[in-house]
Amino acid sequence: EVQLVESGGGLVQPGGSLRLSCLPSGFTFSSYTMSWVRQAPGKGLEWVSIISGSGRSTYYADSVKGRFTISRDNSKNTLYLQMNSLRAEDTAVYYCAGGRTFTFSYYYMDVWGKGTTVTVSS
Amino acid sequence: QSVLTQPPSVSAAPGQKVTISCSGSSSNIGNNYVSWYQQLQGTAPKLLIYENNKRPSGIPDRFSGSKSGTSATLGITGLQTGDEADYYCGTWDSSLSAYVFGTGTKVTVL
Repeated sequence: EVQLVESGGGLVQPGGSLRLSCLPSGFTFSSYTMSWVRQAPGKGLEWVSIISGSGRSTYYADSVKGRFTISRDNSKNTLYLQMNSLRAEDTAVYYCAGGRTFTFSYYYMDVWGKGTTVTVSS
Repeated sequence: QSVLTQPPSVSAAPGQKVTISCSGSSSNIGNNYVSWYQQLQGTAPKLLIYENNKRPSGIPDRFSGSKSGTSATLGITGLQTGDEADYYCGTWDSSLSAYVFGTGTKVTVL
């Protein structure tokens, strides 16, 4: 069964840090371009970051640039999102998602995790 | 503020058809492929359409996608109560070097 399982969410104070992890199963992880997508309470989907299958290419939403870092370890079959300098507006459910693509122009996400909740509050 | 604009809501009776528009620009829809996602209440999004008009395995042909210029459209025919959900378009934006989602559309079956 194709699956993604996120972990690492929780309650953190403003200015704090968290590292999210995403464990895939049922597919060749290194062949997939992976993203983190978040959804604030009652709001729409917001793409956060993307990383190519090799890990050589990464991009970020302006809202998290300089604070968040996406990475992957294909030998450990794990995707990460290091989140620093967290703000109240980063409070959301964070989804790990991915898809096979040759270029970002064709990119779509056909595998999604169930999400992990991050709450930034004092 | 999303760069892709969708109507906030659409509705129709069971068995009828709805269409959801997604309006963008040359840097996103105009030069990249569009996908559509369905999000049922309290669940993760699910891919409905990719590369403008292709359906993944298991998605019924009641769902269709099209693209013209800088706009894309999702169509749902034979509307069912189980189709009540939020729907999002998405595509790569070459100017932003970012993936962008639409503002989202809530489908209500009357």
